[in-house]
Amino acid sequence: KNEVEQSPQNLTAQEGEFITINCSYSVGISALHWLQQHPGGGIVSLFMLSSGKKKHGRLIATINIQEKHSSLHITASHPRDSAVYICAVLPTSGTYKYIFGTGTRLKVLA
Amino acid sequence: ETGVTQTPRHLVMGMTNKKSLKCEQHLGHNAMYWYKQSAKKPLELMFVYSLEERVENNSVPSRFSPECPNSSHLFLHLHTLQPEDSALYLCASSQDLLGREVGETQYFGPGTRLLVL
Repeated sequence: KNEVEQSPQNLTAQEGEFITINCSYSVGISALHWLQQHPGGGIVSLFMLSSGKKKHGRLIATINIQEKHSSLHITASHPRDSAVYICAVLPTSGTYKYIFGTGTRLKVLA
Repeated sequence: ETGVTQTPRHLVMGMTNKKSLKCEQHLGHNAMYWYKQSAKKPLELMFVYSLEERVENNSVPSRFSPECPNSSHLFLHLHTLQPEDSALYLCASSQDLLGREVGETQYFGPGTRLLVL
């Protein structure tokens, strides 16, 4: 079992829908990242969280450290949001090694 | 455009070939990373360099050989690969090694999609 679990693995939504992607982890962390990977392969960092909530445009990310859980929300989804969303955690052991989830593949239909 | 470039973007090679992947970052960062991404698996860290010194060699087979001639360039030399090595190879950089500063993040290149026949 991976130390970082994401759900769902695949998600298809209609344009305009509110989307939630979940990430649960089993280790103590110093930071959690949400990453976006488009079909071409490149990865972009969306958020870095260590507590609370962050918002950028239509994207909102929350984290609950006690429950070891984070969510990524997309409001008013659009076909250009179609991508793989990856959760990655940096353990508190002082390591530089991310632990990555397997990703959630999102497809937003027009 | 993240400031990290990778070439080639696609590569097909036979098991007896020797090839190299190149990564270049234009961000003035001190740390660079190679990751492997196979289908339906999480990203796997392969190598880490900090100030041109290798700090991580994550049990990677010797048929993969990294080289960091300066802080802006990172290479991955490939020889006698196996079909199971077919994957997306991603390079990333960060100002310093992750975990040393709060808020430190990585910038990823577009990846090289490798197919070994």
